Amino acid sequence: SYDLTQPPSVSVSPGQTTSVTCFGNELEYKYVSWYQQSPGQSPVLVIHQDYKRPSGIPERFSGSKSGHTATLTISGTQAMDEAEYYCQAWDRFTVMFGGGTKLTVL
Amino acid sequence: DVQLVESGGGFVQPGGSLRLSCAASGFILSSYAVSWVRQVPGKGLEWVSVISANGGSTYYADSVKGRFTLSKDSAETTAYLEMNSLRAEDTAVYYCAKTYYFGSGTSVADYYYMDVWGKGTTVTVSS
Repeated sequence: SYDLTQPPSVSVSPGQTTSVTCFGNELEYKYVSWYQQSPGQSPVLVIHQDYKRPSGIPERFSGSKSGHTATLTISGTQAMDEAEYYCQAWDRFTVMFGGGTKLTVL
Repeated sequence: DVQLVESGGGFVQPGGSLRLSCAASGFILSSYAVSWVRQVPGKGLEWVSVISANGGSTYYADSVKGRFTLSKDSAETTAYLEMNSLRAEDTAVYYCAKTYYFGSGTSVADYYYMDVWGKGTTVTVSS
Protein backbone atom coordinates (compact mmCIF):
# COMPACT_ATOMS: atom_id res chain seq x y z
CA SER A 1 0.00 0.00 0.00
CA TYR A 2 1.04 3.66 -0.14
CA ASP A 3 0.16 6.97 1.46
CA LEU A 4 -2.71 9.26 0.52
CA THR A 5 -1.80 12.86 1.24
CA GLN A 6 -4.34 15.56 2.02
CA PRO A 7 -3.83 19.14 3.19
CA PRO A 8 -4.54 19.39 6.92
CA SER A 9 -6.91 22.29 6.51
CA VAL A 10 -8.80 24.37 4.00
CA SER A 11 -10.97 27.42 4.59
CA VAL A 12 -13.71 28.97 2.48
CA SER A 13 -16.28 31.72 2.71
CA PRO A 14 -19.97 30.79 2.56
CA GLY A 15 -21.25 30.57 -0.99
CA GLN A 16 -17.79 30.12 -2.49
CA THR A 17 -16.31 27.07 -4.16
CA THR A 18 -13.62 25.08 -2.45
CA SER A 19 -11.58 21.99 -3.21
CA VAL A 20 -9.91 19.31 -1.14
CA THR A 21 -7.12 17.35 -2.80
CA CYS A 22 -5.80 13.84 -2.26
CA PHE A 23 -2.45 12.80 -3.69
CA GLY A 24 -1.27 9.23 -4.13
CA ASN A 25 1.45 7.75 -6.32
CA GLU A 26 -0.81 5.17 -7.95
CA LEU A 27 -4.06 7.07 -7.70
CA GLU A 28 -4.51 7.31 -11.45
CA TYR A 29 -5.16 3.55 -11.41
CA LYS A 30 -7.43 3.52 -8.35
CA TYR A 31 -11.00 4.54 -7.69
CA VAL A 32 -11.26 7.14 -4.92
CA SER A 33 -14.06 7.65 -2.43
CA TRP A 34 -14.65 10.65 -0.18
CA TYR A 35 -16.21 10.79 3.29
CA GLN A 36 -17.46 13.72 5.31
CA GLN A 37 -17.25 13.54 9.10
CA SER A 38 -18.86 16.27 11.16
CA PRO A 39 -17.76 16.65 14.80
CA GLY A 40 -19.08 13.83 16.97
CA GLN A 41 -20.66 12.06 14.00
CA SER A 42 -19.95 8.99 11.93
CA PRO A 43 -18.44 9.37 8.47
CA VAL A 44 -20.81 9.87 5.54
CA LEU A 45 -20.00 8.78 1.99
CA VAL A 46 -20.21 11.79 -0.34
CA ILE A 47 -18.42 10.54 -3.47
CA HIS A 48 -17.46 7.06 -4.67
CA GLN A 49 -15.62 5.74 -7.72
CA ASP A 50 -14.01 9.13 -8.28
CA TYR A 51 -17.11 11.15 -9.17
CA LYS A 52 -20.31 9.23 -8.37
CA ARG A 53 -22.58 10.91 -5.85
CA PRO A 54 -24.77 8.69 -3.63
CA SER A 55 -28.45 9.47 -3.44
CA GLY A 56 -29.19 12.13 -0.87
CA ILE A 57 -25.85 13.90 -1.29
CA PRO A 58 -26.34 17.47 -2.53
CA GLU A 59 -25.29 18.29 -6.08
CA ARG A 60 -22.81 20.87 -4.81
CA PHE A 61 -20.48 17.97 -3.98
CA SER A 62 -18.48 16.68 -6.95
CA GLY A 63 -15.40 14.57 -7.46
CA SER A 64 -12.71 14.39 -10.09
CA LYS A 65 -9.28 12.95 -10.67
CA SER A 66 -6.30 13.87 -12.77
CA GLY A 67 -3.11 11.87 -12.69
CA HIS A 68 -2.00 11.25 -9.11
CA THR A 69 -4.50 13.70 -7.59
CA ALA A 70 -8.16 13.28 -6.74
CA THR A 71 -10.22 16.35 -5.90
CA LEU A 72 -13.41 16.87 -3.95
CA THR A 73 -15.08 20.13 -4.92
CA ILE A 74 -17.87 21.82 -3.01
CA SER A 75 -19.71 24.53 -4.94
CA GLY A 76 -21.68 27.16 -3.06
CA THR A 77 -20.26 25.96 0.25
CA GLN A 78 -22.64 26.14 3.16
CA ALA A 79 -21.96 26.39 6.89
CA MET A 80 -23.23 22.82 7.31
CA ASP A 81 -20.36 21.61 5.10
CA GLU A 82 -17.83 22.44 7.80
CA ALA A 83 -16.36 19.04 8.63
CA GLU A 84 -13.39 16.75 8.22
CA TYR A 85 -13.07 15.15 4.78
CA TYR A 86 -11.22 11.90 4.07
CA CYS A 87 -10.25 10.32 0.78
CA GLN A 88 -10.01 6.54 0.51
CA ALA A 89 -8.66 3.99 -1.96
CA TRP A 90 -8.31 0.21 -2.24
CA ASP A 91 -4.97 -1.40 -2.95
CA ARG A 92 -3.83 -5.00 -2.70
CA PHE A 93 -6.58 -6.06 -0.31
CA THR A 94 -5.97 -3.04 1.91
CA VAL A 95 -8.01 0.12 2.36
CA MET A 96 -6.09 3.36 2.65
CA PHE A 97 -7.40 6.64 4.04
CA GLY A 98 -5.91 10.05 3.65
CA GLY A 99 -5.06 11.88 6.84
CA GLY A 100 -8.13 14.08 6.58
CA THR A 101 -8.73 17.73 5.74
CA LYS A 102 -10.50 20.07 8.11
CA LEU A 103 -12.80 22.34 6.10
CA THR A 104 -13.62 25.59 7.86
CA VAL A 105 -16.41 27.81 6.57
CA LEU A 106 -15.51 31.31 7.65
CA ASP B 1 -34.46 2.46 7.01
CA VAL B 2 -30.98 1.02 6.47
CA GLN B 3 -29.06 0.97 9.75
CA LEU B 4 -26.05 -0.57 11.41
CA VAL B 5 -25.68 -0.67 15.18
CA GLU B 6 -22.41 -1.56 16.87
CA SER B 7 -22.14 -2.93 20.39
CA GLY B 8 -19.72 -4.78 22.62
CA GLY B 9 -17.18 -2.07 23.28
CA GLY B 10 -15.81 -1.47 26.71
CA PHE B 11 -12.78 -1.36 28.94
CA VAL B 12 -10.26 -4.20 28.81
CA GLN B 13 -6.75 -4.78 30.06
CA PRO B 14 -3.82 -5.28 27.68
CA GLY B 15 -3.77 -8.86 26.45
CA GLY B 16 -7.50 -9.21 26.92
CA SER B 17 -10.28 -9.92 24.44
CA LEU B 18 -13.52 -8.33 23.28
CA ARG B 19 -16.15 -9.22 20.72
CA LEU B 20 -17.81 -6.39 18.84
CA SER B 21 -21.16 -6.87 17.13
CA CYS B 22 -22.60 -5.07 14.13
CA ALA B 23 -26.34 -5.57 13.77
CA ALA B 24 -27.96 -4.74 10.45
CA SER B 25 -31.53 -3.63 9.85
CA GLY B 26 -33.32 -2.55 6.72
CA PHE B 27 -31.15 -4.69 4.47
CA ILE B 28 -29.94 -8.25 4.12
CA LEU B 29 -26.44 -8.49 5.53
CA SER B 30 -25.65 -11.55 3.43
CA SER B 31 -25.97 -9.44 0.30
CA TYR B 32 -23.23 -7.01 1.28
CA ALA B 33 -19.69 -6.88 2.55
CA VAL B 34 -19.07 -5.34 5.96
CA SER B 35 -16.05 -3.32 6.99
CA TRP B 36 -14.72 -2.23 10.35
CA VAL B 37 -12.94 1.10 10.62
CA ARG B 38 -11.53 2.59 13.81
CA GLN B 39 -10.70 6.07 14.92
CA VAL B 40 -8.72 7.32 17.86
CA PRO B 41 -10.56 10.43 19.14
CA GLY B 42 -9.15 13.49 17.44
CA LYS B 43 -7.30 11.40 14.85
CA GLY B 44 -8.01 10.03 11.39
CA LEU B 45 -9.77 6.94 10.13
CA GLU B 46 -7.98 3.59 10.08
CA TRP B 47 -9.36 0.60 8.20
CA VAL B 48 -9.38 -2.61 10.22
CA SER B 49 -11.02 -5.40 8.24
CA VAL B 50 -13.64 -6.45 5.70
CA ILE B 51 -15.73 -9.58 5.21
CA SER B 52 -17.23 -10.42 1.84
CA ALA B 53 -20.96 -10.65 1.21
CA ASN B 54 -21.00 -14.45 1.46
CA GLY B 55 -18.59 -14.47 4.38
CA GLY B 56 -16.08 -16.51 2.43
CA SER B 57 -13.33 -13.90 2.28
CA THR B 58 -11.84 -11.69 4.96
CA TYR B 59 -9.02 -9.19 4.80
CA TYR B 60 -7.23 -7.40 7.62
CA ALA B 61 -4.94 -4.47 8.22
CA ASP B 62 -1.41 -5.53 9.11
CA SER B 63 -1.83 -3.90 12.53
CA VAL B 64 -4.52 -6.42 13.54
CA LYS B 65 -3.71 -9.47 11.42
CA GLY B 66 -3.50 -12.61 13.52
CA ARG B 67 -5.27 -10.97 16.46
CA PHE B 68 -8.68 -9.94 15.06
CA THR B 69 -11.21 -12.19 13.33
CA LEU B 70 -14.25 -10.99 11.41
CA SER B 71 -17.26 -13.22 10.85
CA LYS B 72 -20.97 -13.17 10.12
CA ASP B 73 -23.59 -15.18 11.96
CA SER B 74 -25.54 -17.95 10.26
CA ALA B 75 -28.71 -15.86 10.26
CA GLU B 76 -26.77 -13.20 8.37
CA THR B 77 -28.06 -10.36 10.51
CA THR B 78 -24.95 -9.62 12.52
CA ALA B 79 -21.24 -9.34 11.88
CA TYR B 80 -18.74 -9.93 14.66
CA LEU B 81 -15.24 -8.64 15.21
CA GLU B 82 -13.40 -10.88 17.64
CA MET B 83 -10.44 -9.00 19.09
CA ASN B 84 -7.72 -10.86 20.99
CA SER B 85 -4.35 -9.91 22.46
CA LEU B 86 -5.53 -6.34 22.72
CA ARG B 87 -2.98 -3.56 23.00
CA ALA B 88 -3.19 0.03 24.18
CA GLU B 89 -2.93 1.14 20.57
CA ASP B 90 -6.19 -0.64 19.78
CA THR B 91 -8.01 1.95 21.85
CA ALA B 92 -10.45 3.71 19.50
CA VAL B 93 -14.02 4.13 18.38
CA TYR B 94 -14.88 1.19 16.13
CA TYR B 95 -17.34 1.68 13.28
CA CYS B 96 -18.89 -0.96 11.07
CA ALA B 97 -20.00 -0.03 7.58
CA LYS B 98 -21.99 -1.58 4.75
CA THR B 99 -19.49 -2.02 1.98
CA TYR B 100 -19.26 -2.44 -1.75
CA TYR B 101 -16.01 -3.79 -3.07
CA PHE B 102 -14.78 -5.48 -6.18
CA GLY B 103 -11.44 -7.05 -6.93
CA SER B 104 -8.24 -6.80 -4.95
CA GLY B 105 -7.37 -3.21 -5.64
CA THR B 106 -4.76 -4.07 -8.27
CA SER B 107 -6.90 -3.41 -11.33
CA VAL B 108 -8.28 -0.13 -12.61
CA ALA B 109 -11.77 -1.62 -12.43
CA ASP B 110 -11.51 -2.44 -8.71
CA TYR B 111 -13.41 -0.34 -6.21
CA TYR B 112 -14.22 -0.16 -2.52
CA TYR B 113 -16.57 2.16 -0.73
CA MET B 114 -18.64 2.22 2.45
CA ASP B 115 -22.09 3.74 2.07
CA VAL B 116 -23.75 3.25 5.45
CA TRP B 117 -21.94 3.57 8.77
CA GLY B 118 -22.99 2.81 12.32
CA LYS B 119 -22.54 5.24 15.19
CA GLY B 120 -19.57 3.35 16.60
CA THR B 121 -18.63 1.62 19.84
CA THR B 122 -15.70 2.61 22.03
CA VAL B 123 -12.91 0.22 22.98
CA THR B 124 -10.47 1.22 25.69
CA VAL B 125 -7.41 -0.94 26.38
CA SER B 126 -5.61 0.08 29.53
CA SER B 127 -4.15 -1.32 32.69
